Amino acid sequence: GAVVSQHPSRVICKSGTSVKIECRSLDFQATTMFWYRQFPKKSLMLMATSNEGSKATYEQGVEKDKFLINHASLTLSTLTVTSAHPEDSSFYICSASSHRGAGNTIYFGEGSWLTVV
Amino acid sequence: GQNIDQPTEMTATEGAIVQINCTYQTSGFNGLFWYQQHAGEAPTFLSYNVLDGLEEKGRFSSFLSRSKGYSYLLLKELQMKDSASYLCALTDSWGKLQFGAGTQVVVTP
Repeated sequence: GAVVSQHPSRVICKSGTSVKIECRSLDFQATTMFWYRQFPKKSLMLMATSNEGSKATYEQGVEKDKFLINHASLTLSTLTVTSAHPEDSSFYICSASSHRGAGNTIYFGEGSWLTVV
Repeated sequence: GQNIDQPTEMTATEGAIVQINCTYQTSGFNGLFWYQQHAGEAPTFLSYNVLDGLEEKGRFSSFLSRSKGYSYLLLKELQMKDSASYLCALTDSWGKLQFGAGTQVVVTP
């Protein structure tokens, strides 16, 4: 079964509204989670590192006020796309490590398709 | 910083072998992953290399040379279902991944 669960899998929202995407680690505690976005036919681009109990670390060029990340517990990180615009339409996916980055212990969520109309 | 290069697309016939190369530059190496991704789906783990050499897992093998900043993914006995994007990614010690642009493999009958 899924080790990292992401919800919703698909969401359509109106331009100007906000959308929240959840990423949960199901059977392990994740002090760090990662958020990526992927445009059609492009690779995954790291957006930010979500740190439990502290501020997220954003990659260069990613607007932290637009993509709000909250990591309030050891099993949940949320990404909120605020004031969404059509250009925010993308595939968003999270990942988590069960322990310090070894081997195949990086787990991805199922991904969330966001369409802004 | 990091730089990861892999070919954009490769085409091969069913039953054949395809080798996807990945070259990289990084200031600190903590491991290299290969993922398979079908359109619209999450990446699927294929292999992880942290030491030099060849890792074999069924039809898929991955090779790493840290001194050359080079890895390859070898797909044997290609099947139609292997048509997908293959992503080379470097990791830090905490699980952060930096992906290459991906190689789209097209398997033809």
